[in-house]
Amino acid sequence: QKEVEQNSGPLSVPEGAIASLNCTYSDRGSQSFFWYRQYSGKSPELIMSIYSNGDKEDGRFTAQLNKASQYVSLLIRDSQPSDSATYLCAAISGGYNKLIFGAGTRLAVHP
Amino acid sequence: DAGVIQSPRHEVTEMGQEVTLRCKPISGHDYLFWYRQTMMRGLELLIYFNNNVPIDDSGMPEDRFSAKMPNASFSTLKIQPSEPRDSAVYFCASSLAAQQARFFGPGTRLTVL
Repeated sequence: QKEVEQNSGPLSVPEGAIASLNCTYSDRGSQSFFWYRQYSGKSPELIMSIYSNGDKEDGRFTAQLNKASQYVSLLIRDSQPSDSATYLCAAISGGYNKLIFGAGTRLAVHP
Repeated sequence: DAGVIQSPRHEVTEMGQEVTLRCKPISGHDYLFWYRQTMMRGLELLIYFNNNVPIDDSGMPEDRFSAKMPNASFSTLKIQPSEPRDSAVYFCASSLAAQQARFFGPGTRLTVL
């Protein structure tokens, strides 16, 4: 079982819609979670961090964490074509301080 | 803030040659990480340092790989001898603390012929 799992997609949404990206993790000791965006040929760019259960909003982005169910999600409101990228979910392993990445979900926002 | 700096950005070499990748972390960050990204395996952690000391190198694939951090502002990842299966994008990242986000450099795209 992979430690951080994501649906590889592609997830296709129309411009202006809400894109919902999901991720599950296996290590119950994980306390820190991150969403990165990676454009083709570029490096991962941090867009959200979340450490507590509940929602965290930043502009058009909302991260949600549910530790009991071991899932993390990212909502992108008013999706734009420029949001088209691969979104990587990551969790820091409970005992080892390692940031473990999921395989990423490819998002395509079409006009 | 210049962010994490890596060099070279692209490296093409022949099998058997030595390859050295370089990284300058963000000033003040105590942690430095080397990752490798391929289509098949995604982003893999190779090794990380805390205050210039290697903490976990369990991700280093073989003895052909070695990494050093002689001071807080410089690290190298060396592959000797290189093989075609080492072709990948190698990222360096740094962070302020163990439980905080990693900030990535632009990466080095390595091609071993």
